[in-house]
Parts: sequence; C-alpha cells; structure tokens
Amino acid sequence: DAKTTQPPSMDCAEGRAANLPCNHSTISGNEYVYWYRQIHSQGPQYIIHGLKNNETNEMASLIITEDRKSSTLILPHATLRDTAVYYCIVHNDYKLSFGAGTTVTVRA
Amino acid sequence: NAGVMQNPRHLVRRRGQEARLRCSPMKGHSHVYWYRQLPEEGLKFMVYLQKENIIDESGMPKERFSAEFPKEGPSILRIQQVVRGDSAAYFCASSPPRTPTEAFFGQGTRLTVV
Repeated sequence: DAKTTQPPSMDCAEGRAANLPCNHSTISGNEYVYWYRQIHSQGPQYIIHGLKNNETNEMASLIITEDRKSSTLILPHATLRDTAVYYCIVHNDYKLSFGAGTTVTVRA
Repeated sequence: NAGVMQNPRHLVRRRGQEARLRCSPMKGHSHVYWYRQLPEEGLKFMVYLQKENIIDESGMPKERFSAEFPKEGPSILRIQQVVRGDSAAYFCASSPPRTPTEAFFGQGTRLTVV
C-alpha cells in the first residue's frame, strides 16, 4: 500500500510554477522519495528522486523538509504538456507502490 | 539508447485465448518488472525478474499468469485463458543491476478481452 498522501487534483496556469505537495510521515531513514508522472495512456515517466537533500534536474525541483515527513515537487514553468497524474512514492527497493496521485491540469 | 520496448501496444483477445506480452529492457538493464493498471486504477506491481530468475512474484495472480525473462530475448508475460477482467494496461519497467530503485517504464500493452 502507498505510504504517501497527495491531493487528488490541482490546476495550474500555463507558465506559472506548479507546487505539488506530498506527505510521507511514516518514511523510514533509508527510503527515498521518488516522483513519477503518467501522461494519459502512456507509461509512467521518472521525474526526480531524493533522500534528504533538495534536488534539481532539467524537469523539476524536489524540496524535502528537514524531518523528511513531507516534500514538494516544483515544476518551474508549467506547460500544457505537463498535464498528467503525478505520483509521489517512497521506497528503497524495487517495488513501486503507486497511489492515486495528483491529477494536475495545466490551463492556458 | 532506446527505452524500454513493449509489444504489441494493443492486443485484443477473445475469452479463453492466450495473451503474450513482450518487453525488451533498456540496454544494460538486467532487471525487469511488470505492473498492471486496471481501468481507472493505479499501477499494481506484479512480478520482478532477473535473467532466468523470478525474484518476486507476489503481485501475480496465482492462476493463469506467468512470466519469464530468458537468457536471450525479451521478457514475456503470459496470460492463459483470458477473461474480461484481465482487460488492462500492462507496463514493463527495467533498471540497471546496481540501482534497482531507478526504474524506467515502457509505453505499455493495452489488452482488451472481448
């Protein structure tokens, strides 16, 4: 079962930053926070992951709180193509447990 | 470097027939995972394989489903005597040998049982 809590949906204006929250209050010390997204009918796409430090790549930034009980995925300049379901997953092995995720709709 | 390749992308089978879904992992990846996504639901883990070995099949239905990853060739997910409830999207993922947490997914096979 998923160990994370995410809002079911959110809207974002095109060109603005999208901040996606995730609660993982039961995360253990060796578990990473991973973010994937699934654009309609496609396979999940890896976005970013982190352990305790903030991370940034060409797609997004990941901010993890100091107590590691929550995190925020930031899409700096959302485009229409970022419309997708975003999954926050905590794990330290091979088995990904997908919850319901957050359905993000980017509007023009 | 090609990504994870799955074929066919769409598969239609009549009830009682067999379905074979194929997955070629990314180059250099020796770990393969299969997930199933039922309509309007999240992805569920089915099985984890390394070359010629099933590591974890805890998510596989006990009957009619099997998976293999031979020494040569793609990984195969086989569903015998399909029923309407098997209609779903089946996704394969692969990862490198030393970082099993970093999985990359294929585009999936959409199985429709009529």
